[in-house]
Formats: sequence, structure tokens, C-alpha cells
Amino acid sequence: GAGVSQSPSNKVTEKGKDVELRCDPISGHTALYWYRQSLGQGLEFLIYFQGNSAPDKSGLPSDRFSAERTGGSVSTLTIQRTQQEDSAVYLCASSLLGLDYNEQFFGPGTRLTVL
Amino acid sequence: SQQGEEDPQALSIQEGENATMNCSYKTSINNLQWYRQNSGRGLVHLILIRSNEREKHSGRLRVTLDTSKKSSSLLITASRAADTASYFCARPDSGSARQLTFGSGTQLTVLP
Repeated sequence: GAGVSQSPSNKVTEKGKDVELRCDPISGHTALYWYRQSLGQGLEFLIYFQGNSAPDKSGLPSDRFSAERTGGSVSTLTIQRTQQEDSAVYLCASSLLGLDYNEQFFGPGTRLTVL
Repeated sequence: SQQGEEDPQALSIQEGENATMNCSYKTSINNLQWYRQNSGRGLVHLILIRSNEREKHSGRLRVTLDTSKKSSSLLITASRAADTASYFCARPDSGSARQLTFGSGTQLTVLP
């Protein structure tokens, strides 16, 4: 079946504008993760959704970042009043149950550039 | 924060040679996973090794785990140019989210 998809693949925006990034997880996967990867770095956890439970937002770097997951499927990550340091690749991943031995399947990412 | 560290940061070898990448971590783990990333985009899961396993194989990949030293290694045998990528080790976080905590990665270049 289809893997995790993300849109847009690239986004260039001006400082101060809001952006929305979309993630379509693999059908049937209950767990969804957002990560951020700055140039040449490893991944930084942002937020986690599991089924209908309240999301784990412990990785969000500031209150300008928010995310929602509608109907337990598609997720949107919103960054308000973007700053240049928000420039990074934003990666979404899903896994079957969110257990620690479940493989996470990653999307291709959205490369965000804030001018 | 990143709890795993890979070394070397960069590795360049000739096609056909073996490539070894190492990963160290600081806290106890239930399992450790290795991922590959091409061109700074999506990651692909390579292999998972559980804490009670010492070695695991998958095709040309061999992963070892030494929980007493809190270290793991990934060996790619008979490397190919297509193996050129960044390789990350990752461990599930101990919190409820079970998010992966990634190391900083090893950039492997296989020269044809």
C-alpha cells in the first residue's frame, strides 16, 4: 500500500508568515510523529499522536508550533509567525501501534525555508 | 535532545569494501534501531536489535549490540555506490510517546 506522504515537498516563506505542513500516514497506523531535522543534524522530536488520546507535545520548541490530527488520520503541523531558525526539514512518521518495537515509517519530508 | 552519538561523522570507502559505523548511547534501552537517509529526506528503517540480542543480520547488514558498553555497530559488507547515505542509530524514548531519539548520524560515501 501507499507509504507516508507529506505536502508540500518544499515551502519557502517570509519571516513572520504562518505555514501549514500536511502528513498522510499509512492507513491503519494509530501512532503519528512529527520530527524536525536541521541541516546536517539528527532528528528532533516535536509531537506524537496515538489514537484518540491527547497528543504528547513535549517536543514542540515554542507556542508558535501546533499540530492537530483529524479523524485519527491526516495531521497538520502549523508554525505561526515563522522565524529563520524554523528552517529545516519536517518529517512525519507513523507506526502501527506506537509501541517501542514498532518500526516507524517516514514520509519524504517538507523542506521549509524561511527567508 | 540527542542521546545517541555515531562515529565516525563521515566515512568514505571504495566500492566493495566494508563500512563500519558505531553508535553509543547513555541510558538503558529495550531496543536500538538503525535507519538510512538519502539526500536529507525520508528515513528508511534498516534493522532493529533488541536488548537481549547481541548480533543480528539482514542481507549485507550486520548489527551488534553491547549493552554493557552501551554501544552498537552497523557493518555493511561489500559496499555499493547505492549505499551512499546518512546512517542513524535511534532508540525509543522511555517516555509514553515512544518517540525515537536519534544520533547525529554517519555520512557514508561509497566511491565507484
